[in-house]
Amino acid sequence: EDKVVQSPLSLVVHEGDTVTLNCSYEVTNFRSLLWYKQEKKAPTFLFMLTSSGIEKKSGRLSSILDKKELFSILNITATQTGDSAIYLCAPDSNYQLIWGAGTKLIIKP
Amino acid sequence: EAQVTQNPRYLITVTGKKLTVTCSQNMNHEYMSWYRQDPGLGLRQIYYSMNVEVTDKGDVPEGYKVSRKEKRNFPLILESPSPNQTSLYFCASSLYPTVYNEQFFGPGTRLTVL
Repeated sequence: EDKVVQSPLSLVVHEGDTVTLNCSYEVTNFRSLLWYKQEKKAPTFLFMLTSSGIEKKSGRLSSILDKKELFSILNITATQTGDSAIYLCAPDSNYQLIWGAGTKLIIKP
Repeated sequence: EAQVTQNPRYLITVTGKKLTVTCSQNMNHEYMSWYRQDPGLGLRQIYYSMNVEVTDKGDVPEGYKVSRKEKRNFPLILESPSPNQTSLYFCASSLYPTVYNEQFFGPGTRLTVL
């Protein structure tokens, strides 16, 4: 059975801190892994990862995939209150996305 | 503006009263999908559609119906809603039915079944 586990489930840090969010997965016919950010509305796309060891970067956010160990991490440096959200990872299995439960990140000013 | 729209955004109804949540996208996407999101369970797929007249069950299809008569529309039908269908529902679409394309989400429909 396909499985996606995100950790931690929730995290509270202060503005300026660096955080690392984890996503481990066991899925069949893996092709890619997507990260989304969800504030009080619909998820918005952050990254798509298909190759091991290649970091994707967008401003203060970066992500990397390890296909051998079956995990991905999402890093956020110099966090801001606007980074407060639920972060979702979703590897694909047979062309369908399998969603993790998410990590709820709270940034305190 | 490229977008996925859903209506209604909020709905309170009673057990057994049939309802339809509409979903429409203006990006000419082939792939469309319905999810429900419940606390601690993440997004769970209800149904998806690879193209017009092609629909398939997702992980939690019981109690739901869909149709895809036109490329842009993918309504979700609850024939006889029950309280366990109280949830936040998202419609999503992507260009092609492959996960090499990001999925675009609608704004969500918060449904409460009393």
